[in-house]
Amino acid sequence: DVVMTQTPLSSPVTLGQPASISCMSSQSLVHRDGDTYLSWLHQRPGQSPRLLIYKISNRFSGAPDRFSGSGAGTDFTLKISRVEAEDVGIYYCMQSTHFPWTFGQGTTVEVK
Amino acid sequence: EVQLVESGGGLVQPGRSLRLSCAASGFTFGDFAVSWFRQAPGKGLEWVGFIRAKFYSETTEYAASVKGRFTISRDDSKSVAYLQMNSLKTEDTAVYYCTKYGGMPDSWGQGTLVTVSP
Repeated sequence: DVVMTQTPLSSPVTLGQPASISCMSSQSLVHRDGDTYLSWLHQRPGQSPRLLIYKISNRFSGAPDRFSGSGAGTDFTLKISRVEAEDVGIYYCMQSTHFPWTFGQGTTVEVK
Repeated sequence: EVQLVESGGGLVQPGRSLRLSCAASGFTFGDFAVSWFRQAPGKGLEWVGFIRAKFYSETTEYAASVKGRFTISRDDSKSVAYLQMNSLKTEDTAVYYCTKYGGMPDSWGQGTLVTVSP
């Protein structure tokens, strides 16, 4: 199985400041079709997860443009340019290139 | 607006069965795969399984932890997907989510809680 490793696991941030989460996979996430199926999801306390970023760097409908994704192969990053109060919660990276699909452990973003 | 609504959760004893439903609206259901995920209390997200669209013969994939016990199916005429869960174990206790999948798991439902307890 592909192991997804997120760092940090906890990120205290100051409102208005940037934040960054790293996600590394144990093997390449490049699919045989040429795409890389790496997504980022956000889950606010008590809510369902919602998709932010798909295929490394594509913002899903409704995701604010302060969120951006980058990376390739096995190393990926989610960046928040200026953290807002509504951004608190847990962020997960997820790969759907290889079965079984797997998630990172989750990174908790909280306001200092 | 794309919407998915899970239902069918509840309290069930170990070894028993339960069927979850995922009712979809706001898109052409038959054109998309559907995936199920779960989240145990206080834990992270876990992929459960996946069913491809009719164009891809509605083939399925499952996590090792549920393979042989869980079955995913779909009824495109009703825009509903199902998760049949047999031989339930206490470790299957979780909120179960379904998602539309078109290369990414978008449009998550609100989830339905399954509690497996004696």
